[in-house]
Amino acid sequence: DQQVKQNSPSLSVQEGRISILNCDYTNSMFDYFLWYKKYPAEGPTFLISISSIKDKNEDGRFTVFLNKSAKHLSLHIVPSQPGDSAVYFCAAPTPDSNYQLIWGAGTKLIIKP
Amino acid sequence: GAGVSQSPSNKVTEKGKDVELRCDPISGHTALYWYRQSLGQGLEFLIYFQGNSAPDKSGLPSDRFSAERTGGSVSTLTIQRTQQEDSAVYLCASSNRQGQQPQHFGDGTRLSIL
Repeated sequence: DQQVKQNSPSLSVQEGRISILNCDYTNSMFDYFLWYKKYPAEGPTFLISISSIKDKNEDGRFTVFLNKSAKHLSLHIVPSQPGDSAVYFCAAPTPDSNYQLIWGAGTKLIIKP
Repeated sequence: GAGVSQSPSNKVTEKGKDVELRCDPISGHTALYWYRQSLGQGLEFLIYFQGNSAPDKSGLPSDRFSAERTGGSVSTLTIQRTQQEDSAVYLCASSNRQGQQPQHFGDGTRLSIL
């Protein structure tokens, strides 16, 4: 079973506050995870990634946390800005192919001014 | 323009017609991927090309779907005898070499079957 789940279809956050987007996975063999951001009518854009040998990766306002025992990862955006309003996808390469990405269904983030 | 280019951006066609979607990857990228995104869903893997190796077609949903990549660059995805359930956004991505992440995406072709 190789699934990546994003259980929140949408999230609304006040500008300046922290946005936390969650992702769960079922296959403990997944060893690399990516977050993509997608605006309407555009393709997904790579945001940040994390290897399973780490539990945290930070890039500017974006931090991804990985909890391997819980098979859970989260993306934190601090502070949230209006331009962060988009759909966020988490994805993982399948262990047997390492190129085929398995995607969550996405979370629509809305930043309120 | 250094990004992945897809055409057309939108395609509306009648059920039963054939369609061809085109992808021009980033120059020098040897790996090319096709995905499909239906409304409210994550991306679904369709097919993967790597250099001159045989493509991984394991994600193609039926034999009405085929893809080719000429000269290791441009790729076309063909859907024959389109059905309404084929309506989706078809996304193409490329990366530098086999298995390298991240994949870089084009803006997709929105396909609507009437």
